[in-house]
Amino acid sequence: NAGVMQNPRHLVRRRGQEARLRCSPMKGHSHVYWYRQLPEEGLKFMVYLQKENIIDESGMPKERFSAEFPKEGPSILRIQQVVRGDSAAYFCASSPPRIGSMVETQYFGPGTRLLVL
Amino acid sequence: AQSVTQPDIHITVSEGASLELRCNYSYGATPYLFWYVQSPGQGLQLLLKYFSGDTLVQGIKGFEAEFKRSQSSFNLRKPSVHWSDAAEYFCAVEGSSASKIIFGSGTRLSIRP
Repeated sequence: NAGVMQNPRHLVRRRGQEARLRCSPMKGHSHVYWYRQLPEEGLKFMVYLQKENIIDESGMPKERFSAEFPKEGPSILRIQQVVRGDSAAYFCASSPPRIGSMVETQYFGPGTRLLVL
Repeated sequence: AQSVTQPDIHITVSEGASLELRCNYSYGATPYLFWYVQSPGQGLQLLLKYFSGDTLVQGIKGFEAEFKRSQSSFNLRKPSVHWSDAAEYFCAVEGSSASKIIFGSGTRLSIRP
């Protein structure tokens, strides 16, 4: 019963390159969330997706960042033209479908640590 | 706006001693509260959660937390810490949009032998 999978675990990019981070949710989970953790800080919400839909992207930077969760395959967080300030740990979480207003626990992956040189 | 405050950045306790990590939240309605633990270089593991009901919540690894509405607090406790408890601990609340989790800035726990 695999948990949330993220790859790569570590990613090094030079300024101006693109970074692609992948997240495979737990089996049976159809909701995916991305969070960013800057050094010495807590996690900050970026985006919430369901299959083929972005539900809440209020935490996403307006430029260079995009996310998708296609019908088949993992969720992808894409960062174009990376800058040094993008260096952080990016965590993905997943949860099962919500039933009404019932809260569902989010389960986190091990994260991808992005270093921009 | 919802927020979570963890007033202690770093705490050191002796192995075998009791532990209490403080957490205060700001939220208009009944909050859904969580404690997560993060070991160095690792992801987050859920320790416990409060949705409703009994205000004293039991979690994994011997941790418990008590929800006190009057104090807007959700402090984490453990009667006797082990060296393996050294980690970063995050208190969190589910936001009003019922999708995002809002995290505190974390408390780093060190264990003195």
